[in-house]
Amino acid sequence: DTGVSQNPRHKITKRGQNVTFRCDPISEHNRLYWYRQTLGQGPEFLTYFQNEAQLEKSRLLSDRFSAERPKGSFSTLEIQRTEQGDSAMYLCASSLGQTGAWETQYFGPGTRLLVL
Amino acid sequence: EDQVTQSPEALRLQEGESSSLNCSYTVSGLRGLFWYRQDPGKGPEFLFTLYSAGEEKEKERLKATLTKKESFLHITAPKPEDSATYLCAVQERPQGETSGSRLTFGEGTQLTVNP
Repeated sequence: DTGVSQNPRHKITKRGQNVTFRCDPISEHNRLYWYRQTLGQGPEFLTYFQNEAQLEKSRLLSDRFSAERPKGSFSTLEIQRTEQGDSAMYLCASSLGQTGAWETQYFGPGTRLLVL
Repeated sequence: EDQVTQSPEALRLQEGESSSLNCSYTVSGLRGLFWYRQDPGKGPEFLFTLYSAGEEKEKERLKATLTKKESFLHITAPKPEDSATYLCAVQERPQGETSGSRLTFGEGTQLTVNP
């Protein structure tokens, strides 16, 4: 059983460049979440998909951030015109959402972004 | 807005010295309270879900309990390999029965167990 995978694991970029991260959820999971975590803090919610539909976005998600899940499987998170404040660990989680059933989110290893 | 406060921020224990971590929360309609363990440079690892006040769950040296306002993670006779950051998160009831819902995390308790 493979868990949630994320690529790349580390990314160093210069301010102003665009970056894209990929998340592959657990195979049968229909829900996919993106969180951001800075040092010493807990993860903060960014956005979530149910199948291919993006159902919720946080106020933290500025217009420089865009996320997609085109076929309801893997997802990408793109940050345009990166800023130093974007430096963080970007975490992906997936869950199996079923009507009336409890939901547990399982996290991937994260992508650590450093903007110079 | 959901809020989660964890205490203490950091805790140092000697091997075998039992203790508890606290998670206080406010949420409008709790769907679930979650405990995760996070090792440095890795993603959170799921430990427990608690759904209603009075519920308790155990796994090895860890026991999680839930009241209407807080949750405790009790660590009995810890070992050095229990050293990690322990994160508490709440999930609010979604508007639709088929909808998912974000987790709101606390800042975590960094636990160090010395041999």
